[in-house]
Amino acid sequence: QVQLVQSGSELRKPGASVKVSCKASGYTFTNYGMNWVRQAPGQGLEWMGWINTNTGNPTYAQGFTGRFVFSLDTSVSTAYLQISSLKAEDTAVYYCARRRSVAGTGDYFDPWGQGTPVTVSS
Amino acid sequence: SSELTQDPAVSVALGQTVRITCQGDSLRSYYASWYQQKPGQAPILVIYGKNNRPSGIPDRFSGSSSGNTASLTITGAQAEDEADYYCNSRDSSGNYVFGTGTKVTVL
Repeated sequence: QVQLVQSGSELRKPGASVKVSCKASGYTFTNYGMNWVRQAPGQGLEWMGWINTNTGNPTYAQGFTGRFVFSLDTSVSTAYLQISSLKAEDTAVYYCARRRSVAGTGDYFDPWGQGTPVTVSS
Repeated sequence: SSELTQDPAVSVALGQTVRITCQGDSLRSYYASWYQQKPGQAPILVIYGKNNRPSGIPDRFSGSSSGNTASLTITGAQAEDEADYYCNSRDSSGNYVFGTGTKVTVL
């Protein structure tokens, strides 16, 4: 079945970096864009951007430029989110989600990874 | 980027009908998709396009749209429908935006 499995929870100190992985299975990885979504504690969902899994070209939403990097390893059907110079406000659950774009029905995210909690604390 | 506005919370009696709305200018041009999120879990897709349900989503969930407003309706709400619901759509720059979220309580 189609699924996305993310790496486990992370605890980092301010100023450090973290790399979250998202391994896809059950479909052709390069046929669908991979999106990243942040959810801060007690808050809503925030779209961070996406990476074209065919070309490797990333697109970042406002507020997610500079310290956030999307990357791929297509040989193992895995997408990555790296965050550098971590701040306390980066504490959140980070989700990957496959995007489907179907003519006549628009775009949607399905499935989602299980989420990776990242805690930034000294 | 555009915004998608949802009511923060709604309640519904068990077995009754509840409609959750999502307002935004981009909805005049793009379909909304809807996601259910239960505490401690990842979101799941419940409605996409004009009114399409993924496999496994009960038919009590339906979607509609008019002008700048998209709606998710739960007809005959069940206890297991208690969750947060988010809409999503494209914005004018071609990027994506989530709604502010609605907490649904089943009484």
